[in-house]
Amino acid sequence: AQSVSQHNHHVILSEAASLELGCNYSYGGTVNLFWYVQYPGQHLQLLLKYFSGDPLVKGIKGFEAEFIKSKFSFNLRKPSVQWSDTAEYFCAVNGDNYGQNFVFGPGTRLSVLP
Amino acid sequence: SAVISQKPSRDICQRGTSLTIQCQVDSQVTMMFWYRQQPGQSLTLIATANQGSEATYESGFVIDKFPISRPNLTFSTLTVSNMSPEDSSIYLCSVRPRGDTEAFFGQGTRLTVV
Repeated sequence: AQSVSQHNHHVILSEAASLELGCNYSYGGTVNLFWYVQYPGQHLQLLLKYFSGDPLVKGIKGFEAEFIKSKFSFNLRKPSVQWSDTAEYFCAVNGDNYGQNFVFGPGTRLSVLP
Repeated sequence: SAVISQKPSRDICQRGTSLTIQCQVDSQVTMMFWYRQQPGQSLTLIATANQGSEATYESGFVIDKFPISRPNLTFSTLTVSNMSPEDSSIYLCSVRPRGDTEAFFGQGTRLTVV
C-alpha cells in the first residue's frame, strides 16, 4: 500500500536555526508531492508542491524542498526559522493510482522558541 | 483555487447521538473528500463524494456509520452516526478543483464525544 513517512514527530528549534524535515514515500510510479502546513487553530495550507522539472522547489515563506527520486524522498528545508513557523507540517503524495485524493504523512510538529 | 466553509467548527456530543457536518465550496467541484484527523495523528481519507452518485468509502469506513450527501456541486454533508468517544477527531472537507494541482481544505470540525 502507498504510504508516507515523516522522520520526526516533534522538532524543537531556536529562532534562526536551520530546519530540515524528512519525508519518504513508498510508491514506484509517478508521484506528485506536497508539503502542507497547519498553523495553530487554522486550516491546512499548501507550502509547496512538486510535479515535474527542477527537483528543488521553492514555496512560500522561505521554504524549499528537494525531490530525490532515487531515495523516494521530499525533504522540507528552511535556512532560518522564525517563531511564526511554529506549526504542524504534513508531507503528502498524489500519484497516478491515487486518483485525485492525497495520502498524508503522520505530520511533524515544529516548535520554534523565541 | 477554492474557499471552503465548514460548519460547525466544533461540537461536544453525547455518545449514541449523531452529528452532521456541512461543507460549502465557493466554486463547483466534481469531487469532494472527507478526512478524519484523530488526536496526534495524520489525515485519513474517509470517503470521496461525487455529485449524483454514491460516495466511495475507504477501507475501515462504512456508509451506515458515515453517511454522506452530495446534493450539488458546491455542497456536501458528512454525518457521524451513533457516536462513541473513539469518534472524537477533527473532520475535514477537501476539494481539488479541475485544473488545480493542489487540494484545498476547510478549517475542520473538532468533534468531542462524551
